[in-house]
Amino acid sequence: AQTVTQSQPEMSVQEAETVTLSCTYDTSESDYYLFWYKQPPSRQMILVIRQEAYKQQNATENRFSVNFQKAAKSFSLKISDSQLGDAAMYFCAYNQGGSEKLVFGKGTKLTVNP
Amino acid sequence: SQTIHQWPATLVQPVGSPLSLECTVEGTSNPNLYWYRQAAGRGLQLLFYSVGIGQISSEVPQNLSASRPQDRQFILSSKKLLLSDSGFYLCAHAEPPTDTQYFGPGTRLTVL
Repeated sequence: AQTVTQSQPEMSVQEAETVTLSCTYDTSESDYYLFWYKQPPSRQMILVIRQEAYKQQNATENRFSVNFQKAAKSFSLKISDSQLGDAAMYFCAYNQGGSEKLVFGKGTKLTVNP
Repeated sequence: SQTIHQWPATLVQPVGSPLSLECTVEGTSNPNLYWYRQAAGRGLQLLFYSVGIGQISSEVPQNLSASRPQDRQFILSSKKLLLSDSGFYLCAHAEPPTDTQYFGPGTRLTVL
């Protein structure tokens, strides 16, 4: 079964600085998708970024980018110019192509210090 | 654009009482729909998903059930709530063939 591991339960960053959140996954499949979701105190899950495994180019969304290392099964999220509103739980998730199921990691709590 | 609604936002129920949580989606047709539960301080657990009206797949055996009476409506139910049913319930949708799921605002359920 596929698993997603987030080894950092908590991280902190100074406002305007850069932080990287780690995620590794285990799969024997070649067709899959990876996601980062943000869960602020309101608890709504918000999609941050999406990566297709067949694409070598790392996905980018404004201040958010990923470092996708397919051979190493690593999918880290980099947040540049951190803002106070970035403070949240961040979940890494995996979806096998053609499957309806998302497998989530346990999350990383990000604190942004002013 | 699609919008997903969940009702109610907050619910406090006694043990043994029934439950009905509703999820509706606007701006799409024939979406895949999902129910997740998140216990305090933990990740998300997939409870049910549906790929069409009347089609429900259960991931975790429990005293909860789900139904999809209309294309864009997904309901989570229980006949008798347990203390362990407390948690945050999230509904999500995805439009095939995309694998991207978008979540609703959630319902916070407390069973006393």
